[in-house]
Amino acid sequence: QKEVEQNSGPLSVPEGAIASLNCTYSDRGSQSFFWYRQYSGKSPELIMSIYSNGDKEDGRFTAQLNKASQYVSLLIRDSQPSDSATYLCAASNDYKLSFGAGTTVTVRA
Amino acid sequence: GAGVSQSPRYKVAKRGQDVALRCDPISGHVSLFWYQQALGQGPEFLTYFQNEAQLDKSGLPSDRFFAERPEGSVSTLKIQRTQQEDSAVYLCASSATGGYTEAFFGQGTRLTVV
Repeated sequence: QKEVEQNSGPLSVPEGAIASLNCTYSDRGSQSFFWYRQYSGKSPELIMSIYSNGDKEDGRFTAQLNKASQYVSLLIRDSQPSDSATYLCAASNDYKLSFGAGTTVTVRA
Repeated sequence: GAGVSQSPRYKVAKRGQDVALRCDPISGHVSLFWYQQALGQGPEFLTYFQNEAQLDKSGLPSDRFFAERPEGSVSTLKIQRTQQEDSAVYLCASSATGGYTEAFFGQGTRLTVV
């Protein structure tokens, strides 16, 4: 079992809708959590970091963390075609990032 | 430069050839990481440097893989006697400090072993 699991997708949402991405992790010692966006053929780009339980909002993105349930999520509001990418969830207990396999999101116009 | 810079962007190696991949981190960043990303998968940790010290090399797949960061800035990942299973994208990342902090990735080097 991988340390970080994501719903495999692909996830297809209409433009303007909310895309909801989920992630669970197995290492209870994980302290930091990150969402990266990766366009095809490009490198991962950090879009959100979250360190404490609750919600964190940044523009159209909201990250949610529940350490008791070992669950992290990302909501993308008002989805745009430019949001079409693979989203990687990562957890860290110190310096090492453990990534999920990613969820591919397609926003259809 | 403003971001993490990696070179070459693409490398085709014949099986058995040695290769060297370069990473130039964000200026002043203490921590440097190498990850390997196979097609359709998330990046997998290879090794971690804090300044010039290699603190963790537990993810290196075999003793054919070697990384260094002699002056605490630029890093090189060397793969000796490349094999087909080494084909992947090799990503370098850096962060301002060690532990719990945001890491920023370079564009990666796509290695194809033929």
